[in-house]
Amino acid sequence: ELKVEQNPLFLSMQEGKNYTIYCNYSTTSDRLYWYRQDPGKSLESLFVLLSNGAVKQEGRLMASLDTKARLSTLHITAAVHDLSATYFCAVALNRRSGSRLTFGEGTQLTVNP
Amino acid sequence: GAVVSQHPSWVICKSGTSVKIECRSLDFQATTMFWYRQFPKQSLMLMATSNEGSKATYEQGVEKDKFLINHASLTLSTLTVTSAHPEDSSFYICSARITGTSNEQYFGPGTRLTVT
Repeated sequence: ELKVEQNPLFLSMQEGKNYTIYCNYSTTSDRLYWYRQDPGKSLESLFVLLSNGAVKQEGRLMASLDTKARLSTLHITAAVHDLSATYFCAVALNRRSGSRLTFGEGTQLTVNP
Repeated sequence: GAVVSQHPSWVICKSGTSVKIECRSLDFQATTMFWYRQFPKQSLMLMATSNEGSKATYEQGVEKDKFLINHASLTLSTLTVTSAHPEDSSFYICSARITGTSNEQYFGPGTRLTVT
């Protein structure tokens, strides 16, 4: 059974600071996703990482994937209040299982002025 | 492109009644759709995988007779919560995968169900 673990689960940080959210998963996968969820809303797709060493950046967020370590990171640079949300990583099982996703527990990020 | 809608966006029903939630792919065909449930402050849990023209595949622990899924067309899947109870109150989110593509899922806006 695929398990996906995120840490930290709660993160309170000041504006302007940097921090990293970690996502570990237990079995081989060929793609990993990062999503953002605002309160009462559905998921917003941030990144999809397809291969070992993949790095993607959008604004103050940068995601990376190490398939050998089964680890993905979401790095926040110079945080701003608008980044406050819950962030989920999700891992897709291999192709025989189609696109079934297993989600991490989520990291609730609060950026304080 | 790749827009998924859900209807209703929120619904309140009385205990013992049934409620139907629709998931539509607006600008693409989706052979496969997924239904997730999310309780407050928790992650998304996959309930079932809905395949057009065939029976849905339910995850372990999800009662197929309680959560009826119908995927009668390439753009519409429905989830019916039968004999709803307060513990079924949750945020239900569907996603859809474009027919013929690999693995990208597009998520709907979610439906907030409250059972009183």
